[in-house]
Amino acid sequence: SSELSQDPAVLSVALGQTVRITCQGDSLSNYFASWYQQRPGQAPVLIVHGKNIRSSGVPDRFSGSSSGTTASLTITGARAEDEADYYCNSRDSTYQVIFGGGTKLTVL
Amino acid sequence: EVRLVDSGGALVKPGGSLRLSCEASGFIFESYPMNWVRQAPGKGLERVASINTRGAYTYYLDSVKGRFTISRDNGKNSLYLQMTSLRVDDTAVYYCARDVVGSTMVDYWGQGTLVTVSS
Repeated sequence: SSELSQDPAVLSVALGQTVRITCQGDSLSNYFASWYQQRPGQAPVLIVHGKNIRSSGVPDRFSGSSSGTTASLTITGARAEDEADYYCNSRDSTYQVIFGGGTKLTVL
Repeated sequence: EVRLVDSGGALVKPGGSLRLSCEASGFIFESYPMNWVRQAPGKGLERVASINTRGAYTYYLDSVKGRFTISRDNGKNSLYLQMTSLRVDDTAVYYCARDVVGSTMVDYWGQGTLVTVSS
């Protein structure tokens, strides 16, 4: 399959609350998803990849997990600076990159 | 330090052409497949085209096949996207992005260049 379904599309949480974003697709049974953070007006930044590997400088409140065809990004104790758009990605049957539809996170 | 610098975006009329460039530095460019990923205003990320390390294999989003051509010059550490027959729905910020074989990672992104197709 060449699709990734990301949920929720929009999410508002209170400061300090735990956030969970999911990404579902058949390809995720073969690959670990990668996760990106995109702040307004900026390019996406890789934050988590592989089996829960955080990019350099990414706080440990960000974590990734996977089960079957579903991958999840969890932010434990959301902070104001985490307000951004988040995207998952995987690969399709031709090994090309595919992206989830994105999640817009607001931290109140 | 890995750097990708996108350029070439502009305002162009429907049916027009444009060539985007991405200048890479800080890594062995010829060792990495590369992608062009676009983001329409208020929308998500969409891979437009990709190319393998030597430029022998290219892949395209269905909606741009026959109109866009991705290429690379490893001697100049540069990636290109030639866009022809541009349509209003090609309006987006275009990012070049480095691919990491053996993972799902697209680990470095350019700053993006805006292509606006409008009459």
